[in-house]
Amino acid sequence: EDKVVQSPLSLVVHEGDTVTLNCSYEVTNFRSLLWYKQEKKAPTFLFMLTSSGIEKKSGRLSSILDKKELFSILNITATQTGDSAVYLCAVRDTPLVFGKGTRLSVIA
Amino acid sequence: SQTIHQWPATLVQPVGSPLSLECTVEGTSNPNLYWYRQAAGRGLQLLFYSVGIGQISSEVPQNLSASRPQDRQFILSSKKLLLSDSGFYLCAWSRGAGRGETQYFGPGTRLLVL
Repeated sequence: EDKVVQSPLSLVVHEGDTVTLNCSYEVTNFRSLLWYKQEKKAPTFLFMLTSSGIEKKSGRLSSILDKKELFSILNITATQTGDSAVYLCAVRDTPLVFGKGTRLSVIA
Repeated sequence: SQTIHQWPATLVQPVGSPLSLECTVEGTSNPNLYWYRQAAGRGLQLLFYSVGIGQISSEVPQNLSASRPQDRQFILSSKKLLLSDSGFYLCAWSRGAGRGETQYFGPGTRLLVL
């Protein structure tokens, strides 16, 4: 059975800290891994990763995939209170398999 | 540009009543469409997906059903709601196979069954 496991489940940090969120997966037919940010409502797309070792970057957020070890990390540097959200990892088999998410709380 | 709409935003229904949630997509043709449920403290659970009109795949057995009467319309239904149907229902779309894999989500419908 395909599965996606995210850790930690919940994290509280102070503004300015750097955080690393983890996602490990076991799927039969891996095609890509996606990261989403979910605030109060619908998830919004952050990154899609298909190749190992190539970092995707958007502002203070970055992500990388390791297809040999079957995991991805999402880094957020210099965190701000607006980064508080649930971060979801999803792996594209057919169709997407989602992890349960990591709830990040950034406090001032 | 593409947009996805869900209606209604919030719904409170009694147990045993019927349900109809609607999702429409604009700005694209022949999208793949998905219904997810997110229960409190749990991840996103895929309920149904559709690759074309009248083509529905069900991921989990349940008392919900889905229909796709038009290319860009996806409807989630139930004849009799259960308490356990409460949750946040999200519709998503993606381009067809081979043309991209990212799923884009609608604003969601929060359903409370009492």
